[in-house]
Amino acid sequence: AQSVTQPDIHITVSEGASLELRCNYSYGATPYLFWYVQSPGQGLQLLLKYFSGDTLVQGIKGFEAEFKRSQSSFNLRKPSVHWSDAAEYFCAVGGGLTGGGNKLTFGTGTQLKVEL
Amino acid sequence: DAGVTQSPTHLIKTRGQQVTLRCSPKSGHDTVSWYQQALGQGPQFIFQYYEEEERQRGNFPDRFSGHQFPNYSSELNVNALLLGDSALYLCASSNPTDTQYFGPGTRLTVL
Repeated sequence: AQSVTQPDIHITVSEGASLELRCNYSYGATPYLFWYVQSPGQGLQLLLKYFSGDTLVQGIKGFEAEFKRSQSSFNLRKPSVHWSDAAEYFCAVGGGLTGGGNKLTFGTGTQLKVEL
Repeated sequence: DAGVTQSPTHLIKTRGQQVTLRCSPKSGHDTVSWYQQALGQGPQFIFQYYEEEERQRGNFPDRFSGHQFPNYSSELNVNALLLGDSALYLCASSNPTDTQYFGPGTRLTVL
């Protein structure tokens, strides 16, 4: 069974500081990995995705993530956080792209607070 | 290009009632997935529809059912509502080689 662990429930960083959100996954084959962001009361917006190839992927809003197979991790990073980045971040694993994207399994999320 | 749309935005029901939520996929997408997000939790997969058939199902009871129409739009039906069904219901659309894109969700409150 596939699963995702986001060990940090809450993270607080100062504006301009760097950010790393942790994500560990469990999946029996090559995983398809995603990071989504959710603002209060809103749906999920895709930040970035990893399917194959280069293990460092770039996303929107200056975010990047690195896939490390040996550590079963897909951590999200940003070099300089902006106050508008405050939101909840979800890591998700999917089982491939057969027939429409397959189901996603999400972590419990990390709530990011940005101090001005 | 309109993204994924959902209706209604908010809904209040009482225990035992039935509810229908609606989703229109992004243009060019033919697959619709539904997720339930309880307060403070990550989304949980309910089921996925493709070519008007349920392709995959998560660990949800039969009270949760769905339908996909020829225009790829979809409905989620929940019967015999329980207090625990209160959640944000998210619809995501995709095509066979694409990522799932989410709508804004429907907030269901069961009293």
